[in-house]
Amino acid sequence: EVQLVESGGGLVQPGRSLRLSCAASGFTFDDYAMHWVRQAPGKGLEWVSGISWNSGSIGYADSVKGRFTISRDNAKNSLYLQMNSLRAEDTALYYCAKSPFSGGSCLFDYWGQGTLVTVSS
Amino acid sequence: QSALTQPPSASGSPGQSVTISCTGTSSDVGGYNYVSWYQQHPGKAPKLMIYEVSKRPSGVPDRFSGSKSGNTASLTVSGLQAEDEADYYCSSYAGSLGVFGGGTKLTVL
Repeated sequence: EVQLVESGGGLVQPGRSLRLSCAASGFTFDDYAMHWVRQAPGKGLEWVSGISWNSGSIGYADSVKGRFTISRDNAKNSLYLQMNSLRAEDTALYYCAKSPFSGGSCLFDYWGQGTLVTVSS
Repeated sequence: QSALTQPPSASGSPGQSVTISCTGTSSDVGGYNYVSWYQQHPGKAPKLMIYEVSKRPSGVPDRFSGSKSGNTASLTVSGLQAEDEADYYCSSYAGSLGVFGGGTKLTVL
């Protein structure tokens, strides 16, 4: 059974940093691209970032480019999102999502339950 | 990197059909066959319902179907059932980026 478990969310002040993690199990992690998708309270889904199976291809939404960094450790079956210079508008539930492909497509066949990030002073 | 355009709401009676549209540009919906649709019930994670425009993952009822014409994709739910009431989001590949629609709240009357 595919499982994606996010962690690392919490309350953080504007301008500070936070690192999210996603522990994956139930599939061969290094065969697939992975993504972060967020959802602000009461709002729609927003794609944040994606990384190919071997980290050779990485993309970011304009809203986070230059502030967020996605990475993965295939030996640890883990996905990460380093979030710097956080803003109030980054407040959201952050989902880790698996792609059914090794790269590209921005298609998500499994999702975690999310970790909540709240940016507030 | 603009969001795809979806109607904010749609509705139908049990047994009826409803179609939700998703309009983008030639840089996303119109340029790739990587359009997907997700169902989200309140407090739950999204669930993949349609991928690559019209393919259904295993376990998704065949009442759900997808299509695309030009820059607009569509999700049709036939034989509406109470459990279909949820938010629906379209998504498209946009050349190393991803983009979602704003979401459509489907109400089963």
